[in-house]
Amino acid sequence: NAGVTQTPKFQVLKTGQSMTLQCAQDMNHEYMSWYRQDPGMGLRLIHYSVGAGITDQGEVPNGYNVSRSTTEDFPLRLLSAAPSQTSVYFCASSYSWGPIQETQYFGPGTRLLVL
Amino acid sequence: GNSVTQMEGPVTLSEEAFLTINCTYTATGYPSLFWYVQYPGEGLQLLLKATKADDKGSNKGFEATYRKETTSFHLEKGSVQVSDSAVYFCALRGDTSGTYKYIFGTGTRLKVLA
Repeated sequence: NAGVTQTPKFQVLKTGQSMTLQCAQDMNHEYMSWYRQDPGMGLRLIHYSVGAGITDQGEVPNGYNVSRSTTEDFPLRLLSAAPSQTSVYFCASSYSWGPIQETQYFGPGTRLLVL
Repeated sequence: GNSVTQMEGPVTLSEEAFLTINCTYTATGYPSLFWYVQYPGEGLQLLLKATKADDKGSNKGFEATYRKETTSFHLEKGSVQVSDSAVYFCALRGDTSGTYKYIFGTGTRLKVLA
């Protein structure tokens, strides 16, 4: 198993450009999520999905869109990049969503710089 | 809402020193508590977890005990190694619908010197 994979590893964008951060998992996990990591802020949840076709907002959803058309993939779209979106983005997944305390598995991250 | 507070870093220790990284939480009900570790250039990995009061999670020489009376989950290791240099995150996950999302602390950077 490859686990959770993310592409690209690093990206530079200009303000106003759009892009999609890719995330895929091959563990048949039901739950997937996107976090951003900023200095002194820890990890903050952007969007999450509890299954194909189901998504919901996290703590900091503004400026980001997601969709979940398959169990494996959970792309994160930046519609019009802003310098405030400069961050490291992590995708994570776990087997299920609910009271059972499933371990979250994280991807290696995408470092995004918006100029 | 639920929250996690962990000690500010960085923490710099000599090899074989004792490590404590403090973590306290605010939550209703009976959350599960986690420590994740992030090595340079990598994603987070689960280090240990505890799902109920007085549980002790342990892994790779690290330990943390779920203390409900003090709402704490401090990370300890008796003798750190250079290879333990990383950022450590305390996290919480609630046990009721609406609180299943993970809440992470701000992270504590540990540097171990040879």
